[in-house]
Order: sequence, then structure tokens, then C-alpha cells
Amino acid sequence: QKEVEQDPGPLSVPEGAIVSLNCTYSNSAFQYFMWYRQYSRKGPELLMYTYSSGNKEDGRFTAQVDKSSKYISLFIRDSQPSDSATYLCASGKETSGSRLTFGEGTQLTVNP
Amino acid sequence: DTGVSQNPRHKITKRGQNVTFRCDPISEHNRLYWYRQTLGQGPEFLTYFQNEAQLEKSRLLSDRFSAERPKGSFSTLEIQRTEQGDSAMYLCASSLIPGSQYFGPGTRLLVL
Repeated sequence: QKEVEQDPGPLSVPEGAIVSLNCTYSNSAFQYFMWYRQYSRKGPELLMYTYSSGNKEDGRFTAQVDKSSKYISLFIRDSQPSDSATYLCASGKETSGSRLTFGEGTQLTVNP
Repeated sequence: DTGVSQNPRHKITKRGQNVTFRCDPISEHNRLYWYRQTLGQGPEFLTYFQNEAQLEKSRLLSDRFSAERPKGSFSTLEIQRTEQGDSAMYLCASSLIPGSQYFGPGTRLLVL
């Protein structure tokens, strides 16, 4: 079993839709939870960083972590064609130098 | 540009040749990470430096792989006797606080 599981999609939505992206993880020691956006043939770009459980909002993006169910979510409001990319969830813990364990990514297309 | 930089961006080599990649982290970041990413997968951890000390290596990092970070600044990743299975995107990331890693654009390696 992979430590971080993510539905690879692909996911296709119309412009303006609310997008929900989800991951589950198995390692209860994980402390950090991140979402990255990766455009084709580019490096991952850090979108959201959450320590432990809770919600974090940044503009159109909201990240949620529920440690009791080991569930990580990213919501994108008013989605735009420029949001079309692969979204990667990642988790880590300090005792391993904060190395990140990634899901395989969800490919999102927002259609104008 | 004060982000993470990587060189070269692309490398094509013949099987059996040695290759070396360079990563320049964000200047104040003391932590540096190398990851490998293959098509359709999330990045996989290879190795981690805190300042000049290499503190962790993945079992993915075979004896043909070596990484250095002299003086705690830039880092190099060398692959000796390349194999076709080494073809991937090699990503470097740096961070100042645990978990919050910023990635470079990656070096795309193709072994013929």
C-alpha cells in the first residue's frame, strides 16, 4: 500500500465550477500536508501548506486536513482554464528530515 | 530570479555514460532535497542535505548515484554508468522550515 493515495483522474470541469481534489494517507506520524500544482514539463509549485489538522484558505484555494480520517482535500472555487494542471498532494514528518511523500497526482482540465 | 535553479534543463546521453546535474537552492535555505519523477507519477525522494551534511538517502539511490553539497550551497547529483531506467525528471527542492519545500524546474534526462 502506498503511504499517500490519490485518484489520478483525469478530472474535467467547466469554467467556474468548484473543484474538489482528495488524498488519503496511511502514516499517522505525518505532520505536514502540502498541495502542489504542476504544469506539463515544469517543476511542482507549492500552493498550500498545512501543519496538522485544520483548514487553510488562500484566495480561491482551500486546503483541509482531517487527521482522524487521514484525509487531505483541496478545493478550488471559481475554477479557471489556467488552473488546468496536475495537482499533487504530499505529506511529511520532521523525524525523516521532512522528506515528502507524494501522491501520484490528479490531472485537472478546466474547460472554457 | 530568486527561486531554485537547475542545470541543465535537458540531458540526452547514451547508456553507460556518466551525467552530472546541478542545483542552486534559494540562498537562505539550509535544507536541500533531490527527487525523481517519472511520467504519470508523483516525485519520489532520493536524498536530503541539511547544510553540507547528507542526512538521508533513499534505497532508490543505488551505488551508481552520488550527491554532494559542498559548503552547504549548491548541490550536484551524479549518475554513473547510466541505464535506460534512469530516464526521468530529476527535481531539486529547498526549504528553510520543515515541510515547506520549493522545487526547481527539474532536469529531464533521457538515456538512449
